Amino acid sequence: AQSVTQPDIHITVSEGASLELRCNYSYGATPYLFWYVQSPGQGLQLLLKYFSGDTLVQGIKGFEAEFKRSQSSFNLRKPSVHWSDAAEYFCAVVHASGGSYIPTFGRGTSLIVHP
Amino acid sequence: DTGVSQDPRHKITKRGQNVTFRCDPISEHNRLYWYRQTLGQGPEFLTYFQNEAQLEKSRLLSDRFSAERPKGSFSTLEIQRTEQGDSAMYLCASSPHLREGRETQYFGPGTRLLVL
Repeated sequence: AQSVTQPDIHITVSEGASLELRCNYSYGATPYLFWYVQSPGQGLQLLLKYFSGDTLVQGIKGFEAEFKRSQSSFNLRKPSVHWSDAAEYFCAVVHASGGSYIPTFGRGTSLIVHP
Repeated sequence: DTGVSQDPRHKITKRGQNVTFRCDPISEHNRLYWYRQTLGQGPEFLTYFQNEAQLEKSRLLSDRFSAERPKGSFSTLEIQRTEQGDSAMYLCASSPHLREGRETQYFGPGTRLLVL
């Protein structure tokens, strides 16, 4: 069965420091990959997505992610974190299943930003 | 464009009661998705519609769960005979129909259900 693993439940960084959130997936083919952010009381918002082509994708709010097929990973990065980046981050995979395209989300990583 | 809206935002009910949640998607979006999110977990896909057609419902958690989108606009998710284990956040998302699987989903704020 397809799965998405976000190994870090919590990540704490200082404001201005760099950030990397890990995501690994289990799927036979190259899936469609997404990163979403969820702030308290708000709906999930798409940060970026990868389908094919250039393995480094740029997203909103200064985020980027790199697809590494050999490692089945799609890690999210930001060079300098702002206090407003504190939120829950979800990696998601969309895969074909019986003619439908089913999204599978990881359990999320909670980002804490220290001043 | 007012975004995806969900009603109610919070619902408290007693075990055994039926509940119904409503989702209003972004007006030009023809795809609509329902998810459940429990504490400390990511969203769990339940079902989705393209216009009024329910294209995938095998992931609905039990036969107590059902969803409709009768006119291809708003959708309802009903849970019959609620159980305490149904307590969760129920999320709705909508998207335009682009190339399969590549659509950006726009999420609503969710309905938080508490079953006593």
